[in-house]
Amino acid sequence: SAVISQKPSRDICQRGTSLTIQCQVDSQVTMMFWYRQQPGQSLTLIATANQGSEATYESGFVIDKFPISRPNLTFSTLTVSNMSPEDSSIYLCSVVSRAGYTFGSGTRLTVV
Amino acid sequence: GESVGLHLPTLSVQEGDNSIINCAYSNSASDYFIWYKQESGKGPQFIIDIRSNMDKRQGQRVTVLLNKTVKHLSLQIAATQPGDSAVYFCADRGGSNYKLTFGKGTLLTVNP
Repeated sequence: SAVISQKPSRDICQRGTSLTIQCQVDSQVTMMFWYRQQPGQSLTLIATANQGSEATYESGFVIDKFPISRPNLTFSTLTVSNMSPEDSSIYLCSVVSRAGYTFGSGTRLTVV
Repeated sequence: GESVGLHLPTLSVQEGDNSIINCAYSNSASDYFIWYKQESGKGPQFIIDIRSNMDKRQGQRVTVLLNKTVKHLSLQIAATQPGDSAVYFCADRGGSNYKLTFGKGTLLTVNP
């Protein structure tokens, strides 16, 4: 399966600041997704990262708050903007490859 | 999967027992289903999958059962081991957009 490197693995940030999370895949993949996992809860899809075009956001998530870039088929970034304590979550990158759906190890974000 | 709740269902078993974890999904158009295992501090790890044209699939120590009539999925783990302790999520794919919807998750605790 595809190997995903996600950075940073964790961070503690001040409210009002922004954090950019990187997702690097070891092979070209067509589909890349970003998920949020709030404490003690399941995974919720934020958006589909589209190569060369704007991401497709799910209901409740907007580009101004979660801008996403995908410059090529192996890399994507998710920015959490103007953070508040409610943004404290694990953020996960996921890809679809021939081997199926694979997840990164996640970025554990704490906003203070 | 169902909408996310605030508290994870829990299942506690003795080492060596068989475990059964259940999941309900809501999208009758879902055609592909996956079970994931998530250990603390890690991303979801693929366990087993099943397509909608099947009702049972077996892996190593794991079996997935699919009942499309009642939109129910189960994961059976044989001879449960302490290393199986984790949160287990089901996920379903609702169509051609490759997006996964996750269930609530179940916390499995294996007692030695």
